[in-house]
Amino acid sequence: NAGVMQNPRHLVRRRGQEARLRCSPMKGHSHVYWYRQLPEEGLKFMVYLQKENIIDESGMPKERFSAEFPKEGPSILRIQQVVRGDSAAYFCASSPPNQLSSGANVLTFGAGSRLTVL
Amino acid sequence: ILNVEQSPQSLHVQEGDSTNFTCSFPSSNFYALHWYRWETAKSPEALFVMTLNGDEKKKGRISATLNTKEGYSYLYIKGSQPEDSATYLCAFTGSARQLTFGSGTQLTVLP
Repeated sequence: NAGVMQNPRHLVRRRGQEARLRCSPMKGHSHVYWYRQLPEEGLKFMVYLQKENIIDESGMPKERFSAEFPKEGPSILRIQQVVRGDSAAYFCASSPPNQLSSGANVLTFGAGSRLTVL
Repeated sequence: ILNVEQSPQSLHVQEGDSTNFTCSFPSSNFYALHWYRWETAKSPEALFVMTLNGDEKKKGRISATLNTKEGYSYLYIKGSQPEDSATYLCAFTGSARQLTFGSGTQLTVLP
């Protein structure tokens, strides 16, 4: 039973290029969360998705960042026209569906994708 | 903006010592409080989820308590071992249902 799979583990981009980070949730999990860890900082919430639906994107920068979780395939975090300040570790987590709500669900984290912008 | 504060930021203890750290969070719109353990070069792993005021959870030598009225949780480690060295994160869930993490307490257990 594979855990949360993220790829690539490391990604190097030049300023102005696009970065695409992928996340496959654990089997049976339908909720996906993206978190960003900037250097010397903690995990900051970015976006929470269910299949084909963005539930909460309050942590996403307004420009250049987007996320999707299609019916088939992994969740993708896309960063357009990257800048040096986007250099960070991006963590994906997933949780199972919960009939009552998702707030008490335990998150299973992936190993993270480390983006370096030159 | 939700403030989830953890203290201390870092801590060094000797093997065999018991220790504890604090997580403070908003006392309004509380839904759940999570503790995660994050070892270097690995992913955060869930330790506990607590939802009720007065909850106490225990896993081996690690336990946690919850006070939702005053907005704090304590994590205790009894008889620390070098393998307990990690960053311990707490995360608050409110009405928005997504987890807001604190910055963590970095624990180093010296042999």
